[in-house]
Amino acid sequence: NAGVTQTPKFQVLKTGQSMTLQCAQDMNHEYMSWYRQDPGMGLRLIHYSVGAGITDQGEVPNGYNVSRSTTEDFPLRLLSAAPSQTSVYFCASSYTPVGSGEQYFGPGTRLTVT
Amino acid sequence: KQEVTQIPAALSVPEGENLVLNCSFTDSAIYNLQWFRQDPGKGLTSLLLIQSSQREQTSGRLNASLDKSSGRSTLYIAASQPGDSATYLCAVSLTDKLIFGTGTRLQVFP
Repeated sequence: NAGVTQTPKFQVLKTGQSMTLQCAQDMNHEYMSWYRQDPGMGLRLIHYSVGAGITDQGEVPNGYNVSRSTTEDFPLRLLSAAPSQTSVYFCASSYTPVGSGEQYFGPGTRLTVT
Repeated sequence: KQEVTQIPAALSVPEGENLVLNCSFTDSAIYNLQWFRQDPGKGLTSLLLIQSSQREQTSGRLNASLDKSSGRSTLYIAASQPGDSATYLCAVSLTDKLIFGTGTRLQVFP
């Protein structure tokens, strides 16, 4: 049982490039979320999903796309990277809705946009 | 808008001390409050979850309390150890999201 896995661990992009951050979980959780963590600002919700085929926006969705074709995977796409997207990105999953139960987090992806 | 504040931002204590980390939130309409631990370069590990109807939760040397009416939670760590050094985050839950504080960075020195 690997829990929540994220790839890559580190990534450097040039402004304007696109990429996909991968997130997978093997706990059969319906609920998955993406957060970004910036110094002095805590974690902020980017997008979330309540099940395969269902996604919604969080607090800071601009510049990011998500899809949820399977229960296990929840990739985050950066369409045209900007320096403001330099951050650490965390994926999380849970068995119950976010508001009611324990969240399980991946190890994070550290992204630098130059 | 729900805001979560953690004080102090950083704390350095000698091994063996009992210590309290504070978390305050502006809107008492929460479903639960969670405390997480984050080690440098790592993800978050859930420590304790307190449902809105509960007053406290305990796990080993950790005890978390919740006072919804005053918008406060405390994380009590008994007999601190160097292995407790990490950043501690609290988060309050709304219907479909978590709102995080900025964390308290704890260092326990031998």
